[in-house]
Amino acid sequence: QVQLQESGPGLVKPSETLSLTCSVSGGSIHGYYWSWIRQPPGKGLEWIGYIFYSGTTDYNPSLTSRVTMSVDTSKNHFSLKLNSVSAADTAVYYCARLGGVLTGRPMLDYWGQGALVTVSS
Amino acid sequence: DIRMTQSPSSLSASVGDRVTIACRASQNINTYLNWYQQKPGRAPRLLIYGASSLQSGVPSRFSGRGSGTDFTLTIASLQPEDFATYYCQQSYNTPHTFGGGAKVEIK
Repeated sequence: QVQLQESGPGLVKPSETLSLTCSVSGGSIHGYYWSWIRQPPGKGLEWIGYIFYSGTTDYNPSLTSRVTMSVDTSKNHFSLKLNSVSAADTAVYYCARLGGVLTGRPMLDYWGQGALVTVSS
Repeated sequence: DIRMTQSPSSLSASVGDRVTIACRASQNINTYLNWYQQKPGRAPRLLIYGASSLQSGVPSRFSGRGSGTDFTLTIASLQPEDFATYYCQQSYNTPHTFGGGAKVEIK
């Protein structure tokens, strides 16, 4: 059973960089796309982007100027960096696996439990 | 970006009721439509992918239909554990946008 776990600071100061890592266990990071999604408190889900195990990325245009994703296949984990954060970036950040790509039916089939990141001085 | 609109945004229902939630895409997305269930404080859980395929382990009372721009999620007989918020998501084009959610509450 694939499991994902987010880790990183829960508090980030305005204008600084938010950094999160998602560790994958129970399966290999190879061959899959890995996604980040966020959810502001009390609000809906926002797709941030994904990274292929080879390093190819696709980001939400609304965030592309501030987002960087990376992958470390040797550690079976991938990471998110979001720079120049503001209070509007306060959210629960989820990592997830994008399954079904090879069958033509992409879907987020495994999710981490989520990490709350608060932007505040 | 493709805009996903869900209706209703909330509903009250009783155990045993048949519940249907609608999702409309702003353009044709074929059947690249997924449904997720989210309970408070928990991560979303995949229920339906490809508009109508039931994810492994999901009870058969959940079903999905539709293609093009109009989709529905139906719960045949609402159970106590089904009270949650439901989100649709298109995976036709990036960004893979979500609907605003539909909260199913106890009547």
